[in-house]
Amino acid sequence: ILNVEQSPQSLHVQEGDSTNFTCSFPSSNFYALHWYRWETAKSPEALFVMTLNGDEKKKGRISATLNTKEGYSYLYIKGSQPEDSATYLCAFLKYNNNDMRFGAGTRLTVKP
Amino acid sequence: GAGVSQSPRYKVAKRGQDVALRCDPISGHVSLFWYQQALGQGPEFLTYFQNEAQLDKSGLPSDRFFAERPEGSVSTLKIQRTQQEDSAVYLCASSVLQGKAGNTIYFGEGSWLTVV
Repeated sequence: ILNVEQSPQSLHVQEGDSTNFTCSFPSSNFYALHWYRWETAKSPEALFVMTLNGDEKKKGRISATLNTKEGYSYLYIKGSQPEDSATYLCAFLKYNNNDMRFGAGTRLTVKP
Repeated sequence: GAGVSQSPRYKVAKRGQDVALRCDPISGHVSLFWYQQALGQGPEFLTYFQNEAQLDKSGLPSDRFFAERPEGSVSTLKIQRTQQEDSAVYLCASSVLQGKAGNTIYFGEGSWLTVV
């Protein structure tokens, strides 16, 4: 069973706060870890695709790190803005498997 | 547009009714995925196509669910005799080719199914 877990389930922060969430995944047969940002009634938007242990990726105020040996990835948002409010999903791709297993997501609400 | 397109966006079906959900992937994308997302949960894998071949259907929850991609482009997910537990968002996604770890997978906006 591939369990991908995300924490916290939901998060409320004030505009300007920095925040981070966690994605935990099985450390064996790792192939790739994807982060998506999903606003209600829109398509999930790909943020990062991470494949190597120690990877660090950055896109504007959002960054992510990857530890494949211990099976976790962190997503950081610096100086949160109301438009960052969304559900952030991580998805784990196991080597030689066709399906991506998603976590349940972290629902972020940024209050002005 | 150039993205993954799904239709209908919203569907209300009476219990027992058959529904068909359509996905137009990005042109040239070989891989196509269907996911089901119930309220409060992450997307759950349903099935995967590489061109017209359905290589994995292990996630289809019952034999009432059927997916096809006859010409290797447009795909249809059909649900027969819908039940209330089928109420969910059905997401379609495509990518250039499965098996390349760095490929980005592009999602449609989803088809929101409510069974009453």
